[in-house]
Amino acid sequence: NAGVMQNPRHLVRRRGQEARLRCSPMKGHSHVYWYRQLPEEGLKFMVYLQKENIIDESGMPKERFSAEFPKEGPSILRIQQVVRGDSAAYFCASSPGQGNYEQYFGPGTRLTVT
Amino acid sequence: EDQVTQSPEALRLQEGESSSLNCSYTVSGLRGLFWYRQDPGKGPEFLFTLYSAGEEKEKERLKATLTKKESFLHITAPKPEDSATYLCAVRSGGGADGLTFGKGTHLIIQP
Repeated sequence: NAGVMQNPRHLVRRRGQEARLRCSPMKGHSHVYWYRQLPEEGLKFMVYLQKENIIDESGMPKERFSAEFPKEGPSILRIQQVVRGDSAAYFCASSPGQGNYEQYFGPGTRLTVT
Repeated sequence: EDQVTQSPEALRLQEGESSSLNCSYTVSGLRGLFWYRQDPGKGPEFLFTLYSAGEEKEKERLKATLTKKESFLHITAPKPEDSATYLCAVRSGGGADGLTFGKGTHLIIQP
């Protein structure tokens, strides 16, 4: 499977718990983006990462949310102390970089906070 | 702030009935306009990138065009399998490195 992979596909958390969402980019891609899609709303950019670096986190909520893309392994979006308003679909996209910024999306993680 | 507005919000067509979807944008220096298709419960599927006014790209029954203020996605003789939500997004020279998306056009093709 050469596409962007995300897991888990569905995640249920109780209020106050932590959610960890994982994203493996397409082979050969070194740029990763995270987006959130709320019901009846469009996709909203959250953060842009390259290996070991956060390049742009202007769309990330200031509290409880963090992201990383380590040298080895998948990119992780972490949400601490989840609240009901965090329930959404979270999508990861990757691009090759080097002047090519076409973004290819994964299937998403549907987070439900109960 | 970058803005993308798509119209109509929803469109119902008969199979074979051609039409166009509109994407109007306001950005500070366009570095790419992107069209995606999204099926229910799935991630957006990349369709086209356009970079400059006058540019056109085609793929099967779809053709995307770009002017300085808007883009059109023309659908020729659509089939039921073309039913999906079509998303438009821009990447600008200022602000965030991520894409700014419109809310999409929900297209239904009836057999």
